Amino acid sequence: AQSVTQLDSHVSVSEGTPVLLRCNYSSSYSPSLFWYVQHPNKGLQLLLKYTSAATLVKGINGFEAEFKKSETSFHLTKPSAHMSDAAEYFCVVSSSASKIIFGSGTRLSIRP
Amino acid sequence: SQTIHQWPATLVQPVGSPLSLECTVEGTSNPNLYWYRQAAGRGLQLLFYSVGIGQISSEVPQNLSASRPQDRQFILSSKKLLLSDSGFYLCAWRPGLAGDWAYEQYFGPGTRLTVT
Repeated sequence: AQSVTQLDSHVSVSEGTPVLLRCNYSSSYSPSLFWYVQHPNKGLQLLLKYTSAATLVKGINGFEAEFKKSETSFHLTKPSAHMSDAAEYFCVVSSSASKIIFGSGTRLSIRP
Repeated sequence: SQTIHQWPATLVQPVGSPLSLECTVEGTSNPNLYWYRQAAGRGLQLLFYSVGIGQISSEVPQNLSASRPQDRQFILSSKKLLLSDSGFYLCAWRPGLAGDWAYEQYFGPGTRLTVT
């Protein structure tokens, strides 16, 4: 069985400070893991993905994530938050054509 | 390059009326296609997916249905809308290739449906 848990429903940081959005997963198979971002009333955009290559994955807009198999985690980080990063973020696990599980989302707010 | 279209962008419909939302993909062949619903402040719920023409799998029992009349066309329908059908509907595709689970999905811009 697969599942994904985003540990924080809402994260608020100050502009210029680091961002950490946490994601834990479980999967019976070697999964692919993704992070997507969604701005209000928009579709989802891929930030980055892990597919069993390098465990540290770099994405767009300065985001990166590290796959830690021992901890079953795939946390999303960014060294310095920007106002434009305010959005909803989804962690996703996939192991087949139909098995695509979305986390419940983390809303990221940026304080000026 | 590939693009995905959804229409309409917004829709307000009365309870009991029919529904038809359309999604088309350009620039690829034999994609896997998906319909999701996102209720206000909630995550994404997979409604239907399709791996080929006429092949539809339903993930959640409901009064909605889906069809795939052409390779790159995916339609979401209802004969009678309920208030609970309100939400943001997203169509997505990803390559229908071996090992497709490793590919990311590409999402359309969404349709905001309000049932009154």
